[in-house]
Amino acid sequence: AQRVTQPEKLLSVFKGAPVELKCNYSYSGSPELFWYVQYSRQRLQLLLRHISRESIKGFTADLNKGETSFHLKKPFAQEEDSAMYYCALRGGGYQKVTFGTGTKLQVIP
Amino acid sequence: GAVVSQHPSWVICKSGTSVKIECRSLDFQATTMFWYRQFPKKSLMLMATSNEGSKATYEQGVEKDKFLINHASLTLSTLTVTSAHPEDSSFYICSARSSLGKDQPQHFGDGTRLSIL
Repeated sequence: AQRVTQPEKLLSVFKGAPVELKCNYSYSGSPELFWYVQYSRQRLQLLLRHISRESIKGFTADLNKGETSFHLKKPFAQEEDSAMYYCALRGGGYQKVTFGTGTKLQVIP
Repeated sequence: GAVVSQHPSWVICKSGTSVKIECRSLDFQATTMFWYRQFPKKSLMLMATSNEGSKATYEQGVEKDKFLINHASLTLSTLTVTSAHPEDSSFYICSARSSLGKDQPQHFGDGTRLSIL
């Protein structure tokens, strides 16, 4: 079974402060990990994926297989980062994606 | 970029009626589409995986006869909520993955808000 855990429902930070959104997973094989973001009144969209090892909008995430984590980080939060963030894992025969419960990031001006 | 169109965006209907939701990939072909249900302030729950030309694979606890899925072409999947009841009221979201390779990410539609009176 595959599972994604996002322990924080809400994370409030001041503008300019560092951000870390936590994500832990459980999966028996080699997973693909993603972060999706949903801005207010917009559709869910892909933010980044671990295989790309890229930085999008200043966000990065490193897959730590030892700790089974894929935390999302940004050194300096901006107001436009306020949104719901979902960590997701893809695995299984049909490549199905399992989502975490999401973390609402609130950047305080 | 890849666009997934979902229609309708909002539907209100009486209890006992059937409702069809369409999910289209506009600029790419999608061998696989996914249907999710999202409850208020909850995560997306995968309902089923829709494979073009074959039967959908349903997640545990999802009634196949209640939620009919048809994926007749590489750009269209439909979800029909049959004999809908108030407890079926929810936000339904589809996503599609390009058939170009297994590393393709999922692209999401805007979702359909279903309200059963």
